[in-house]
Amino acid sequence: DIQMTQSPSSVSASVGDRVIITCRASQGISRWLAWYQQKPGKAPKLLISAASSLQSGVPSRFSGSESGTDFILTISSLLPEDFATYYCQQGNSFPLTFGGGTKVDI
Amino acid sequence: QVQLVQSGAEVKKPGASVKVSCKASGYTFRHYGITWVRQAPGHGLEWVGWISPYNGNTEYAQKVQGRVTMTTDTSTTTAYMELWSLRSDDTAVYFCARDAQELVPAHYGMDVWGQGTTVIVSS
Repeated sequence: DIQMTQSPSSVSASVGDRVIITCRASQGISRWLAWYQQKPGKAPKLLISAASSLQSGVPSRFSGSESGTDFILTISSLLPEDFATYYCQQGNSFPLTFGGGTKVDI
Repeated sequence: QVQLVQSGAEVKKPGASVKVSCKASGYTFRHYGITWVRQAPGHGLEWVGWISPYNGNTEYAQKVQGRVTMTTDTSTTTAYMELWSLRSDDTAVYFCARDAQELVPAHYGMDVWGQGTTVIVSS
């Protein structure tokens, strides 16, 4: 199985901060990496697919990039509604696997 | 609009079985795979399995292999996940979610999610 190692597990930030979350795959997954945002009691929301393609309706302050087996989610300027938990997920092969999550709080 | 609506919460005893439904609407059901994901209280997301409504192909997580069956009914555009021999560590919120890309399994993530179904396994 492909392991997804996500870091950090939590980050304390303020409105306006730039936040960077990293996900490393245990083996090559091409560009098949998705990022999700989840708020308490809600279903995850797809932000980015194929490593860097922003989903329709997702603000441009969210961006995704890749470098080999490392994938990065950047929130350029944090807004109050961005405080949530973020997950990466590889879609290269079954079984699909998620990173452990990054909680972004104040 | 495109949506997935799941069945209601369940409380089951250890060893019992549960069947969760996921009613799809607003799109061509057969063309998009359905993934099931669960989240135990206070924990992260765990992939449970995937089914193609197009041809019935399935993939299951090793942790539930042999205890789970995923099916679809294209006449009612509903996906089902049945889990039996329930254990306490099956207690979780179960989500169904749609592949983001038509006729392309898994690569692009899941773009439409159900509201979640709480399954509690307790004696």
